[in-house]
Amino acid sequence: QQQVKQSPQSLIVQKGGISIINCAYENTAFDYFPWYQQFPGKGPALLIAIRPDVSEKKEGRFTISFNKSAKQFSLHIMDSQPGDSATYFCAANNAGNMLTFGGGTRLMVKP
Amino acid sequence: GAVVSQHPSRVICKSGTSVKIECRSLDFQATTMFWYRQFPKQSLMLMATSNEGSKATYEQGVEKDKFLINHASLTLSTLTVTSAHPEDSSFYICSARTRGAGSYNEQFFGPGTRLTVL
Repeated sequence: QQQVKQSPQSLIVQKGGISIINCAYENTAFDYFPWYQQFPGKGPALLIAIRPDVSEKKEGRFTISFNKSAKQFSLHIMDSQPGDSATYFCAANNAGNMLTFGGGTRLMVKP
Repeated sequence: GAVVSQHPSRVICKSGTSVKIECRSLDFQATTMFWYRQFPKQSLMLMATSNEGSKATYEQGVEKDKFLINHASLTLSTLTVTSAHPEDSSFYICSARTRGAGSYNEQFFGPGTRLTVL
């Protein structure tokens, strides 16, 4: 029940394209859904997060779409840039408890 | 945003020695810190949850006598890998939880410590 499943494992997108990463969860008690960006040899950095009371949140080129009934959420990166090449992790938790991470998606944006 | 630091960023040690990794919240008080381990091309695995002033809670399969965690203050937690062996080589990452309006769930991560045991 604690699992968060993330897909795809890897993604190649052309510069200027849209990168889409999907996550699905099982625990309906989850109430916080962050996305982290991690560059090689660095710790994860919080990119954007959403709570289940909204269906979409946008910050710059990054958008989270949230479907509570389907227990799914996704990250969209608009106008993808080579500098966006990194590993992205979705996560979920409830009431400030431990984060449950997805398996990660390695994104490569080709120039 | 909230800043979490880790020291050292890299450490190489001989098998059988102990290594201490520090995690500090620089501009906020962290009542809870988390320690993760990450193998190459894999996700983060939670090792333990550390609350200030109390004993850490370890995840199943993590040896508490091997990975000693101390959270003595609201800004510092330490992870000591005792009697390290090559299989302990990994990327260790801490995170700290901040509490505030609209952000009570947020965790901020440190830059990680690369441990190599020879």
